[in-house]
Amino acid sequence: EPEVTQTPSHQVTQMGQEVILRCVPISNHLYFYWYRQILGQKVEFLVSFYNNEISEKSEIFDDQFSVERPDGSNFTLKIRSTKLEDSAMYFCASSEVGGRLYGYTFGSGTRLTVV
Amino acid sequence: DQQVKQNSPSLSVQEGRISILNCDYTNSMFDYFLWYKKYPAEGPTFLISISSIKDKNEDGRFTVFLNKSAKHLSLHIVPSQPGDSAVYFCAASEGNNNDMRFGAGTRLTVKP
Repeated sequence: EPEVTQTPSHQVTQMGQEVILRCVPISNHLYFYWYRQILGQKVEFLVSFYNNEISEKSEIFDDQFSVERPDGSNFTLKIRSTKLEDSAMYFCASSEVGGRLYGYTFGSGTRLTVV
Repeated sequence: DQQVKQNSPSLSVQEGRISILNCDYTNSMFDYFLWYKKYPAEGPTFLISISSIKDKNEDGRFTVFLNKSAKHLSLHIVPSQPGDSAVYFCAASEGNNNDMRFGAGTRLTVKP
């Protein structure tokens, strides 16, 4: 069964450093998303991406965040200057058209720890 | 942002019995509702969905009920199996938005 692949599975970084989280969505999917889950809290929407541009973003997704689809397969989330509160599990997801009814396929996540 | 609420952080059920997971929402514009299941160290897995034009959707052992007037949905699992033990998230979205709002999750434990 096709899956969404995320790397690395765990990233430790120093406060103020830049990190790039990588995702390979399912190849025929058109919509891509990043969500995060701070430990013990709910899953929060960050951004959705379609047709090579951001389609929606939440209030969490401020200027320190950016997303890119540098080639036909990868989808990346960059955090420019990490803060302690950015420590969370980051999930990438993808969907075909109509993901709202048929659901997204999530990756296993990248655990980001900012120290 | 508490648009989607799951007020029970945990639920314990005996194998073979029914599990009922509840979810409430505040945004009357939500028109798609989904349930996801999450095992430790994995991403959420889509389970079942319902659109606001329906009040019930069934898929095998899983049934989702939607009560729009009460802004409430529930997931019924019957019969419950130990492999159903996981965290269950409800999620909702509105209109043409593709972002989903998730609840905080309910940890279901099914005891053999």
